[in-house]
Amino acid sequence: ILNVEQSPQSLHVQEGDSTNFTCSFPSSNFYALHWYRWETAKSPEALFVMTLNGDEKKKGRISATLNTKEGYSYLYIKGSQPEDSATYLCAFNRGNQFYFGTGTSLTVIP
Amino acid sequence: DAGITQSPRHKVTETGTPVTLRCHQTENHRYMYWYRQDPGHGLRLIHYSYGVKDTDKGEVSDGYSVSRSKTEDFLLTLESATSSQTSVYFCAIRSMGWVNYGYTFGSGTRLTVV
Repeated sequence: ILNVEQSPQSLHVQEGDSTNFTCSFPSSNFYALHWYRWETAKSPEALFVMTLNGDEKKKGRISATLNTKEGYSYLYIKGSQPEDSATYLCAFNRGNQFYFGTGTSLTVIP
Repeated sequence: DAGITQSPRHKVTETGTPVTLRCHQTENHRYMYWYRQDPGHGLRLIHYSYGVKDTDKGEVSDGYSVSRSKTEDFLLTLESATSSQTSVYFCAIRSMGWVNYGYTFGSGTRLTVV
């Protein structure tokens, strides 16, 4: 069992604030790192898949960076909106298996 | 949900009874996965399949078995349901474009064991 840790566990921010979360994973035998957005009563939806050290990906106001040598990834949300409220999961991919973190629950207060 | 369907969506069953959950895909993908979601644990891998009749265990496989007799269906069986198996179960598929688009999840099955 691999340890994939996410911090913080939960976060409340005001609308318009920018925020970021951390995902830590084992740095050995790295294959890919995924970020998912998971709204209550729905299924997780992929945001980013990153495979190379130094990768940076962006989708609208959300971006992510990857450091495979030290085993961490950051997810940034710029100018948070209430519709960004969700749980953000990272998943570490090694071979055919996927190991999820426990997620960061984001609540954006209007 | 991009061609992935889970059934049933909800089920209540009694302790000690066998239960089978179904994951069906329409896109002929090779890799399929079963996860359970519990508070404080995120998503944990139960079993996965990399082809017809090819399956392997995940991190929480005790008390579960799987079968994949055809590409489109991946079945998860709780051999003798226990209250600790009350959870939400998600199926996922890995498509050819997964490096760009990630894995695709079904809508989940909420199982309650009483």
